[in-house]
Amino acid sequence: ETGVTQTPRHLVMGMTNKKSLKCEQHLGHNAMYWYKQSAKKPLELMFVYNFKEQTENNSVPSRFSPECPNSSHLFLHLHTLQPEDSALYLCASSQDEGPDRGGGYTFGSGTRLTVV
Amino acid sequence: GENVEQHPSTLSVQEGDSAVIKCTYSDSASNYFPWYKQELGKRPQLIIDIRSNVGEKKDQRIAVTLNKTAKHFSLHITETQPEDSAVYFCAASIGSNYQLIWGAGTKLIIKP
Repeated sequence: ETGVTQTPRHLVMGMTNKKSLKCEQHLGHNAMYWYKQSAKKPLELMFVYNFKEQTENNSVPSRFSPECPNSSHLFLHLHTLQPEDSALYLCASSQDEGPDRGGGYTFGSGTRLTVV
Repeated sequence: GENVEQHPSTLSVQEGDSAVIKCTYSDSASNYFPWYKQELGKRPQLIIDIRSNVGEKKDQRIAVTLNKTAKHFSLHITETQPEDSAVYFCAASIGSNYQLIWGAGTKLIIKP
């Protein structure tokens, strides 16, 4: 493990379900991110948290709700998702906000989400 | 909006040969350009990056070149090995808020 742990690794959920993705980092980083990765498409930044405060929300639908209780933990709460939301959801952290600080992003292994 | 174009989408090279992946960006204020490698089923990892005040940077078999005038940058891998097989992503910083715009990725296949 590189220090960013995501659970679960795989998740299948119905469109009416509510579930949460969890991310945890033990690197002492101050910034955490949620990304969506779809096949053959660029990584899409969803949310940015710096020192627990949300600093970026890239027009993400309200069916995705982030939560950052402290600098080490990040959640993504999911409800009433659509099949097109199926993707790999990656969590990342960096020393400070901004990918050019202290060695770039450290990514987790991701949660493979399938919405049925 | 701002974007990063990455080419080719798939690149197949003979083991031992060189591989070059190219990216162009649209935001003239971009000043940081990282490259990430994602092996099959694994997480993306930073392999090299370059800032706008430098034209070229090398790290063993990999190098990145930047042409700010033309707004393009390239990843060069020499003496390719099987473990170089992966998807490579380029990215460019967005203006003043230091977030990244990503390319769509290049799948590099090293043929034995």
